[in-house]
Amino acid sequence: DAGVIQSPRHEVTEMGQEVTLRCKPISGHDYLFWYRQTMMRGLELLIYFNNNVPIDDSGMPEDRFSAKMPNASFSTLKIQPSEPRDSAVYFCASSLPGGGGKAFFGQGTRLTVV
Amino acid sequence: AQSVTQLDSQVPVFEEAPVELRCNYSSSVSVYLFWYVQYPNQGLQLLLKYLSGSTLVKGINGFEAEFNKSQTSFHLRKPSVHISDTAEYFCAVRPYNTDKLIFGTGTRLQVFP
Repeated sequence: DAGVIQSPRHEVTEMGQEVTLRCKPISGHDYLFWYRQTMMRGLELLIYFNNNVPIDDSGMPEDRFSAKMPNASFSTLKIQPSEPRDSAVYFCASSLPGGGGKAFFGQGTRLTVV
Repeated sequence: AQSVTQLDSQVPVFEEAPVELRCNYSSSVSVYLFWYVQYPNQGLQLLLKYLSGSTLVKGINGFEAEFNKSQTSFHLRKPSVHISDTAEYFCAVRPYNTDKLIFGTGTRLQVFP
């Protein structure tokens, strides 16, 4: 398996534009997590899914953020409209069920909103 | 609710010296404990995890961690660090009842020659 795949690796966009980040989890993993990493706040959990269903989205900062998982092999995180303070590295991770299952991380998407 | 505290944001150390990266957690339910490492411009990789049993767990690259339930700590140690250990280290917990994976703010380990 190629691991968790995120695209794009880098995204530069203007304030007000819509941004869509994509993630392909490892096949067979039931859990998918979206994290945001910044210098100020470290690694924040935004939302996670179990079997394509959002379980906890309490970390999503505002209504401008939305995430979907239409099937077991694909998830998106969308920001509309984007703002400069959304600039961060966004990570997707997937894992097997059960707390003992370790999470596998993608390489991240570095988002810059100018 | 759960939280993870990494007391040191940066730890500078010379090569071949021992190092300890501290992690404390707070949780009303039992948790699984993890340490992850992030090398520059990469995603996170698992170093080690504690699920149950022996409180001393060994991970990759010579790292080990000890779970102390009474102090709610899970400190990471290595007896002799290498330049290549320079990275960001994250402590994480996963509650038994939610499968949510929660990270601390990270500790940057900088190893000098």
